Amino acid sequence: GAGVSQTPSNKVTEKGKYVELRCDPISGHTALYWYRQSLGQGPEFLIYFQGTGAADDSGLPNDRFFAVRPEGSVSTLKIQRTERGDSAVYLCASSLNPGLVNEQFFGPGTRLTVL
Amino acid sequence: AQSVSQHNHHVILSEAASLELGCNYSYGGTVNLFWYVQYPGQHLQLLLKYFSGDPLVKGIKGFEAEFIKSKFSFNLRKPSVQWSDTAEYFCAVSPWGADGLTFGKGTHLIIQP
Repeated sequence: GAGVSQTPSNKVTEKGKYVELRCDPISGHTALYWYRQSLGQGPEFLIYFQGTGAADDSGLPNDRFFAVRPEGSVSTLKIQRTERGDSAVYLCASSLNPGLVNEQFFGPGTRLTVL
Repeated sequence: AQSVSQHNHHVILSEAASLELGCNYSYGGTVNLFWYVQYPGQHLQLLLKYFSGDPLVKGIKGFEAEFIKSKFSFNLRKPSVQWSDTAEYFCAVSPWGADGLTFGKGTHLIIQP
């Protein structure tokens, strides 16, 4: 079956612009996670959804970052007034149920470049 | 907040050599521990995980890891590596009851044929 998909695979934007990154989780997975991976670093947790609600958004760096999952499936990560420091690979993961007993399956990521 | 330290950022080994990648974490409470691998051009995938019970955990492709609570460590081992083990390896931790993972910076492993 299909894994986690993310679009676009690459996004280049200019400083100050608004971007949206999309994640399509594995069908039936209720938990969805966003991570950010900067060059030479491990993934950094941003936000976790259980169904439609954000169960933990403690990793969002500031109020320019926002994520939604209106129907409990696809999620969109939104970044306002982008800055050069936002350049990174944004990873999405999903798992069957909440709780770490269930493996998180990662997507290929969206590489965001802010010029 | 918890943190994860991976001591070796780059490791180069010959085929059939034994492997041990270090991972230490800082957190005072109960944790769940993971090793993820990213092969060239592929997604992150789970190698193995520890939640409770036997501290020696076996994963896919002949990998294993040992949780030593007193040392806050979760080192990854493989007795004999293969060229196909060339990849980036990440250790990750999550406090009990939380769902987001905290990752280390990763270790880039290169196996020379």
